This record gives sequence, C-alpha cells and structure tokens, in this order.
Amino acid sequence: GENVEQHPSTLSVQEGDSAVIKCTYSDSASNYFPWYKQELGKRPQLIIDIRSNVGEKKDQRIAVTLNKTAKHFSLHITETQPEDSAVYFCAAFNQAGTALIFGKGTTLSVSS
Amino acid sequence: DTAVSQTPKYLVTQMGNDKSIKCEQNLGHDTMYWYKQDSKKFLKIMFSYNNKELIINETVPNRFSPKSPDKAHLNLHINSLELGDSAVYFCASSQDGGATSTDTQYFGPGTRLTVL
Repeated sequence: GENVEQHPSTLSVQEGDSAVIKCTYSDSASNYFPWYKQELGKRPQLIIDIRSNVGEKKDQRIAVTLNKTAKHFSLHITETQPEDSAVYFCAAFNQAGTALIFGKGTTLSVSS
Repeated sequence: DTAVSQTPKYLVTQMGNDKSIKCEQNLGHDTMYWYKQDSKKFLKIMFSYNNKELIINETVPNRFSPKSPDKAHLNLHINSLELGDSAVYFCASSQDGGATSTDTQYFGPGTRLTVL
C-alpha cells in the first residue's frame, strides 16, 4: 500500500548548521510533495512544496529537492536557528489521489 | 484571519459518550479533510470530502462519521468514545482534492480530545 518513509526521526544540530530530512514514497502517482512544520501545540503549516515538473525549489534558507524516478525528496534547511526547532512532516498523495499520506515526522532541535 | 477554524479546542469526556467537533473554512475550498494525530505525532487521514464524494480511510471505525451541512463545514461525529480515541484531531481544506491535485492543504488549529 501507499507509504511515505521519513528519516531521521530526530535531528539535533547546532545553530548555524544545516539540516537535511529525507523522504521516500511508494505506490504513489503524486505530483505534489509538500513539507509541513509543526511547532509544539500548533497546527501543521506548509513551509515549502514542490511539483513534479521541477527538481529543486528554494525559498530563502529552505530548499526541497525531488527525484521522481527514485521516488525520494528532501528538505534542506541552511543556517539553522533556534526557531527552526519543530516537527517537520513530508507528504505525498496516495495512489488514488484522494488524500495526503504523511511521513512520521522529524523532530528537529536547534541548540544555540 | 482564521482560514480554517475548529471548535472546541479541548474536549474532555467519558468513555461511551457521543461527541462532535466542528470545522469551518472561509477559503471557498471544495475539499475538506479530517486527520488524527496520535501521541507519537503521527498524522493519519481519516476522511476527505468534497461536494461529490466522501472518501473514507478503511481503517477508521464506523463510530466516526463526517457530516457536511454545506461546502464550508465538515463536522466530525464520534459515537461510543473509547480510550484509544484520545488524540488531536485536525481539520484541513484545499481548493481541489482531485487525483492530480497540487493544491495546498490548510490545517485548522486542532481539537485535543481526551477520553477518560
């Protein structure tokens, strides 16, 4: 069945370092791959997304890369700051295209 | 500026009770969703619904039922609540939930349900 695997489950970095979170998906015809950030006690909020017609997208310190052939996509955060600390989720549509399947999340901790 | 809103924010109830969570979106979106986030933070789709069809995740017990009085609302009714239903429930919406959708999903603030 559809599955989105996300690694690592936890990631600790020093302020200013880069952080990379990777996701792979299977059995999906998704054309859309969003990344959500969820701060403690808050709702998931979209931080960046990528459509299947591009391989990379960047928005300031955040970038996402997509390899649709290999079925994996990654989130890159550069120059991390303490406020980047949160749980990050990747997602892809299920085979039927009716719902987003989320990865299990990565808890990012940025220490100053 | 609340695009997707939910009530209540917190819900504490006894096992066996029936409860409802309301969701409203003012974005004019066609598709709405309910997600369950458990204590391990896993986000799982429960339902997606637009004016054409309701898609149910087959793993969701039939004690859970979505009800949509109109396009802007999708409420979640839960019958005979169980301890395992304790979680945070998020409503979301998107412009289009079709098979090739590339539309952003916007989440509500969540409802923390605690079943005692």
